[in-house]
Amino acid sequence: AQTVTQSQPEMSVQEAETVTLSCTYDTSENNYYLFWYKQPPSRQMILVIRQEAYKQQNATENRFSVNFQKAAKSFSLKISDSQLGDTAMYFCAFMKLASGTYKYIFGTGTRLKVLA
Amino acid sequence: AAGVIQSPRHLIKEKRETATLKCYPIPRHDTVYWYQQGPGQDPQFLISFYEKMQSDKGSIPDRFSAQQFSDYHSELNMSSLELGDSALYFCASSTGTPKYEQYFGPGTRLTVT
Repeated sequence: AQTVTQSQPEMSVQEAETVTLSCTYDTSENNYYLFWYKQPPSRQMILVIRQEAYKQQNATENRFSVNFQKAAKSFSLKISDSQLGDTAMYFCAFMKLASGTYKYIFGTGTRLKVLA
Repeated sequence: AAGVIQSPRHLIKEKRETATLKCYPIPRHDTVYWYQQGPGQDPQFLISFYEKMQSDKGSIPDRFSAQQFSDYHSELNMSSLELGDSALYFCASSTGTPKYEQYFGPGTRLTVT
């Protein structure tokens, strides 16, 4: 069974600074996807970034980038130039590529607060 | 762009009552997923449907059932409600190959009193 671990329950960062959220996972699968989702106070789940395990290049979306270390089973999220609107709960999610099932397994989340 | 629609957005029920949650996926999305997020917890997968057939099942209580209809909308039926069923219930939809990105609805907040 797959597990996802986010070891930082809460973090804070000053506006305009950079912060890194950690995520590790455990799997015996070779083909899978990893995601970071943001859940602001509205509780809407918003996709931040995704990474295909077969790609060595780290994914980047504007101010958001990941450090994907497949051998170490690590998938951290870096937020650059933090903005007040980045304040939210961040969930790391794992999805294995297997016929018939594409469910997400989420980590327990990291609550990020951006300080003015 | 059209998003996933869930109704109702809020629902208050008493113990032992029944609740029905509805989900309307993004047009042309063929897969629907249901997740349950308890207070202060991460979303937990309940069940999924692909082309109107159950495709996977997670930690869904026997008191719950779900189905996907011919128009691809899905309903989650919950009976004999317990206090512990109070949670935010998300529906997500996806399509394409590979089916990797799920688009989440706004959720239905169920409160059982």
